[in-house]
Amino acid sequence: GENVEQHPSTLSVQEGDSAVIKCTYSDSASNYFPWYKQELGKGPQLIIDIRSNVGEKKDQRIAVTLNKTAKHFSLHITETQPEDSAVYFCAASGVTASKLTFGTGTRLQVTL
Amino acid sequence: NAGVTQTPKFQVLKTGQSMTLQCAQDMNHEYMSWYRQDPGMGLRLIHYSVGAGITDQGEVPNGYNVSRSTTEDFPLRLLSAAPSQTSVYFCASSLTGHSNTGELFFGEGSRLTVL
Repeated sequence: GENVEQHPSTLSVQEGDSAVIKCTYSDSASNYFPWYKQELGKGPQLIIDIRSNVGEKKDQRIAVTLNKTAKHFSLHITETQPEDSAVYFCAASGVTASKLTFGTGTRLQVTL
Repeated sequence: NAGVTQTPKFQVLKTGQSMTLQCAQDMNHEYMSWYRQDPGMGLRLIHYSVGAGITDQGEVPNGYNVSRSTTEDFPLRLLSAAPSQTSVYFCASSLTGHSNTGELFFGEGSRLTVL
C-alpha cells in the first residue's frame, strides 16, 4: 500500500518568514495530494490540494508543488502569521481512492 | 448544517469494556470513514464506507467493528477495549466514494482512554 513520509515533525519560524513542509510517497499510481491543517482541539481541515496533472498550485499565501518523477510534494507558506500555528498533514491517494494515506504531521509554530 | 458530529468527546473505559463511538453527518455524503490519531503516527484509517450497507477495512481494523445502515450514521464499535486503543478518533465524510475527487470533512474528535 501507499506510504507517506513527512518532514520535519516540528518547525518554528518567525512571523513573516516562510515555512516549507515536505512529503514523499511510495505508490507511483497516486494522483491526488491534499494538505490538511489541524488546529488545537479540532479536526483536520483541507487547505489546498493538487492533482498529478498539475505541477504547482497557489492560493494566496499557500502553495503546493508536486514532482511526480521524484514522488515528492511540498507545502509552502509565505509571510507566516501566528494563526498559521497548527499541525499540518500531507496525504496521498490513487484513482480507486477511498483510502487516503496521511503523513505523520508537522507541528508549525509561528513566533512573534 | 452541523457537518460531522461525533459523540462522546471524551470517554474513559476499563480494559475489556465495550462501547460505541457515534458519528453522524447531515451533508448527504456517500463516503464516511474512521481514523485514529496517535502521537508521531499521523492519521490512520480504521474502517470506511462508500455508501449505506457497504463497509471495508482500512489500515488498522483489528478490534473495531462498523456498520452503515443509513447514509447519515457510521458508528464505530469497540467490542473489548484494550489499552492500545487509547487514542483520539476522528470520523470524516466526503461527497463521493472517491477521496481524490472530494474534500474530507472531519468531526472534532473523540478522545478515548482505556485503563
